[in-house]
Amino acid sequence: SAVISQKPSRDICQRGTSLTIQCQVDSQVTMMFWYRQQPGQSLTLIATANQGSEATYESGFVIDKFPISRPNLTFSTLTVSNMSPEDSSIYLCSVVGREKGSYSGNTIYFGEGSWLTVV
Amino acid sequence: AQRVTQPEKLLSVFKGAPVELKCNYSYSGSPELFWYVQYSRQRLQLLLRHISRESIKGFTADLNKGETSFHLKKPFAQEEDSAMYYCALKEVRETSGSRLTFGEGTQLTVNP
Repeated sequence: SAVISQKPSRDICQRGTSLTIQCQVDSQVTMMFWYRQQPGQSLTLIATANQGSEATYESGFVIDKFPISRPNLTFSTLTVSNMSPEDSSIYLCSVVGREKGSYSGNTIYFGEGSWLTVV
Repeated sequence: AQRVTQPEKLLSVFKGAPVELKCNYSYSGSPELFWYVQYSRQRLQLLLRHISRESIKGFTADLNKGETSFHLKKPFAQEEDSAMYYCALKEVRETSGSRLTFGEGTQLTVNP
């Protein structure tokens, strides 16, 4: 399994500002994902971040609004730019890790999330 | 396109009663399905996957390809099972690797 740390865990932000969320993993991983979970809704994938290449964004998400950095195999950042109240959400970092035990496949692990409130 | 449906947003049962959380999916490829659980104030964590065919905390889930379902079941619910449960479908993509598509979640409450 992978241990994922996110910072900040919670923040209140002013409309029009930007905030960068950091994700640190305790092991090297090829793929890191950023999800959003808006109040009362399920998780939605924002983008996939691979080290050494540009992030791949899902439909409805663009780089100008959610720039992502992936400088190495253990770290990534997601910036929420020019925030509005609609961006109030939990943002989750996740990685693909190998599950211990008899099963030899991979699974996806999640950080604790960063809860942003835009006022 | 892949899709995961959890028809019940809320489910309430009494302690000791059986519980079933429904999940249906649509996917053109070979599905790989998971159940994730989020206890109050904790991170989302993997509960079980269909490939491993294991029982975790008394929960089981069987993939039924004919009915495109992956319902989560437990014969005797406990109060500590109260949590939000998400069904997820893993999609493997050639250019950008795998991703999870989540259902909307079911909030399970087990009453004493």
